[in-house]
Amino acid sequence: EVQLVQSGAEVKKPGESLKISCKGSGYSFTSYWIGWVRQMPGKGLEWMGIIYPGDSDTRYSPSFQGQVTISADKSISTAYLQWSSLKASDTAMYYCARHGRQYYDDDAFDIWGQGTMVTVSS
Amino acid sequence: DIQMTQSPSSLSASVGDRVTITCRASQGISNYLAWYQQKPGKVPKLLIYAASTLQSGVPSRFSGSGSGTDFTLTISSLQPEDVATYYCQKYNSALRAFGQGTKVEIK
Repeated sequence: EVQLVQSGAEVKKPGESLKISCKGSGYSFTSYWIGWVRQMPGKGLEWMGIIYPGDSDTRYSPSFQGQVTISADKSISTAYLQWSSLKASDTAMYYCARHGRQYYDDDAFDIWGQGTMVTVSS
Repeated sequence: DIQMTQSPSSLSASVGDRVTITCRASQGISNYLAWYQQKPGKVPKLLIYAASTLQSGVPSRFSGSGSGTDFTLTISSLQPEDVATYYCQKYNSALRAFGQGTKVEIK
C-alpha cells in the first residue's frame, strides 16, 4: 500500500525550532515529488513547496520562501519541513502529499499524509 | 502571479441536485488543474486531475471540464456523503496555487 505517514502533533513556543517528517512507503520514494500544504485553523489549503527526493531539487511558494526549509533523506524515505524560529502565525495543520506521476514536477497530489498539527503558543 | 478564483464560496443543495462549482484562472493554465474534496476533519482527497480525468475510485457522479482559464467541477446527483469543501488547484509553473474553496452543504 502506498502511504505517507507524518510525525505527531507538536506544541512549541514562539522562537523555537521544529522539524516535522513525512515517511513514504509502498513506492519508489526517490521518483516522485513530495509537497507540503498548510491549512490554518478554519481556512483553506496553501501550497508551500515541493521536493524531488532523488536529487533534492526543491521549489518554494514565494509566500513561504525563506520562512521554512523543505528537505528529504532518501536513505530513509522521509521528507521534512522545518522552521528555525516559529511564530504564533505558524499554528496550522501541515500535510505532506505526493505527486501522482513519477518524475513530473507539474502534477496533482494523489496521496496525502494524515497531517501534523503544529501549535505555537507562549 | 496567477490567481485562482472559485465560485460560489458556499452552496446549499438538495440530495439528487446537480451541483456545479467554477474555478477561474487569471491567466491560461492549459489543463493543469485538479479538484480536491475535503470532508470536515479529514485529509484532502484528489477527485480530478488534468481538468477532466477522474481519479481512480472516485464515483462517476463527479466530473470536471474546462481548459485555459475556466473550469468546472460538477456533481451530477448530490449525495449526503458529498458534504465537504472542494478546492481547485493549478499545478503548472512555479506557483501551484489552490482556490479558496467551496463549501457544499445539504439543504
